[in-house]
Amino acid sequence: DAGVTQSPTHLIKTRGQHVTLRCSPISGHKSVSWYQQVLGQGPQFIFQYYEKEERGRGNFPDRFSARQFPNYSSELNVNALLLGDSALYLCASSLVSPDRWRIYEQYFGPGTRLTVT
Amino acid sequence: AQKVTQAQTEISVVEKEDVTLDCVYETRDTTYYLFWYKQPPSGELVFLIRRNSFDEQNEISGRYSWNFQKSTSSFNFTITASQVVDSAVYFCALWGNNDMRFGAGTRLTVKP
Repeated sequence: DAGVTQSPTHLIKTRGQHVTLRCSPISGHKSVSWYQQVLGQGPQFIFQYYEKEERGRGNFPDRFSARQFPNYSSELNVNALLLGDSALYLCASSLVSPDRWRIYEQYFGPGTRLTVT
Repeated sequence: AQKVTQAQTEISVVEKEDVTLDCVYETRDTTYYLFWYKQPPSGELVFLIRRNSFDEQNEISGRYSWNFQKSTSSFNFTITASQVVDSAVYFCALWGNNDMRFGAGTRLTVKP
């Protein structure tokens, strides 16, 4: 079975530009989360979408936005890029429980390496 | 606010030694989940274990074992008879109140 896929693999952008990162979850997974991982640190939570609704949001500015599509794939958008946005952006998918209470483990994609110059 | 602390930044052992990676967490939630992930040099995070706050049973999976103690807010991970392939960065993570927090990670190097 295919794992979580992300595109593009690498991306170089200039300060002030906009970027869109894409993620396809594992088949059957209806929840997608986005993380930013700076070199040498743990992943930082950006968003979680749970059956197309935003369920959680980390401490990131409004320049970061995301959405989940009917097929459960997702996009992360970042506007007005700053040098500090250079990082590995990780997407993770998980199952959802009918009662929305149980939390399942997240499976991560390989990430998109974003470099802002 | 939730917090995960992995005080050991780097650990180096010789193959076949046992090693314990420490994880201490902080949360005000009564319902939460704890996870361990492995990030090998290839970079992709690999899920190892999930535990919810109501299940304090320790778990063993092959050479891996986990010790969850709510009284000390700890969720430690032990690798028995370490192997070179265990070399990676290991992350402890906490989910609660619609927020996921990862620790800073522990880099484990297993030398032959």
